[in-house]
Amino acid sequence: AQKVTQAQTEISVVEKEDVTLDCVYETRDTTYYLFWYKQPPSGELVFLIRRNSFDEQNEISGRYSWNFQKSTSSFNFTITASQVVDSAVYFCALSERSFGNEKLTFGTGTRLTIIP
Amino acid sequence: DTAVSQTPKYLVTQMGNDKSIKCEQNLGHDTMYWYKQDSKKFLKIMFSYNNKELIINETVPNRFSPKSPDKAHLNLHINSLELGDSAVYFCASSHLGDRASPLHFGNGTRLTVT
Repeated sequence: AQKVTQAQTEISVVEKEDVTLDCVYETRDTTYYLFWYKQPPSGELVFLIRRNSFDEQNEISGRYSWNFQKSTSSFNFTITASQVVDSAVYFCALSERSFGNEKLTFGTGTRLTIIP
Repeated sequence: DTAVSQTPKYLVTQMGNDKSIKCEQNLGHDTMYWYKQDSKKFLKIMFSYNNKELIINETVPNRFSPKSPDKAHLNLHINSLELGDSAVYFCASSHLGDRASPLHFGNGTRLTVT
């Protein structure tokens, strides 16, 4: 069975600090995709990034960066120079193939609070 | 321009009632989903439809019945509502088989059963 663990339930940092959200996954698939979604207080789910299992290159998008390490089955997300607007619940997810179909298995989320 | 839209946004009803949530996507995707988010924010898939055909049914009570009249619509009907059904229900869509296709979610429907 697929599993995604986000051990950090809640994190609070002061604005402008850097923060890393951890994600560890388990899968038997050799080909899989990992995702991060953001859920701001308004409630919608916003797609941030996807990464396939063959691409271990780190990715940077503005203040966001992602570190994928297959050796440790981790896909961590770092926000540099955090801002109040980054306050949200962040979900890591794993794309799972079940009988040829796809579904996302989500972690339990990390609630990030940026203190002004 | 809304990609995945679901209605209503809020739904308050009493135990025992029957209610429906509608979902529509204009992304041309062939697969649609219903996810449930409980009070602890845990997200779990309920159903998945591909080209109007049910392909994933995750041990959801029979009181929940999805209906897909066409590829762009996936509605969720719930019979005999129970207190435990209170949650936020998200509709989503994607391309099946394209594992790089991220799910596009609607804004959610907050269901409160009293």
